[in-house]
Amino acid sequence: NAGVTQTPKFQVLKTGQSMTLQCAQDMNHEYMSWYRQDPGMGLRLIHYSVGAGITDQGEVPNGYNVSRSTTEDFPLRLLSAAPSQTSVYFCASSSGTSGVHYEQYFGPGTRLTVT
Amino acid sequence: DAKTTQPNSMESNEEEPVHLPCNHSTISGTDYIHWYRQLPSQGPEYVIHGLTSNVNNRMASLAIAEDRKSSTLILHRATLRDAAVYYCILLHHNNNDMRFGAGTRLTVKP
Repeated sequence: NAGVTQTPKFQVLKTGQSMTLQCAQDMNHEYMSWYRQDPGMGLRLIHYSVGAGITDQGEVPNGYNVSRSTTEDFPLRLLSAAPSQTSVYFCASSSGTSGVHYEQYFGPGTRLTVT
Repeated sequence: DAKTTQPNSMESNEEEPVHLPCNHSTISGTDYIHWYRQLPSQGPEYVIHGLTSNVNNRMASLAIAEDRKSSTLILHRATLRDAAVYYCILLHHNNNDMRFGAGTRLTVKP
């Protein structure tokens, strides 16, 4: 199993550009989530999904959209990038619809810089 | 929401036990205690979680106080690879919003 994969590893955007961060898992997990981690800080939840077709907001959802059309994929879309969105983005997955209460597997992260 | 308090940093010697404390005096009866760690330049990694009873797994032990207002993550023999930031997180059983604080940065000296 590849586990949780994220692409790209690094990205530089200009203010106002849009892009999609990709996340995929091959463990047939129902629960998937996106976090951001600013320098020297803990992780903050952006959006999560308890299964295909179901998404919900976390602590810091503004400026981001998600969709979950398949169990495997959970892309995160930045609508109009701002310097405040410069961060490292982590995707995670877990089994069960109460997935966060089980072991979460995290991807390696995408380092995003917005200039 | 119930909050956790952890020391900013701790040091340990290699091959010695490490006790990482976490205070959560406002914990509710249905809050689970989760521990994750994050090695440098990596995503977080699950360590252990529990509700009331002490828990053991291959990585660590979790000791939960009888009143549940504090808990301790125990690494039985620290290795250099255990140097990481350790996060103690409370999560209500109905809640999917897992919130990470600043954690404790563990340094392991050879």
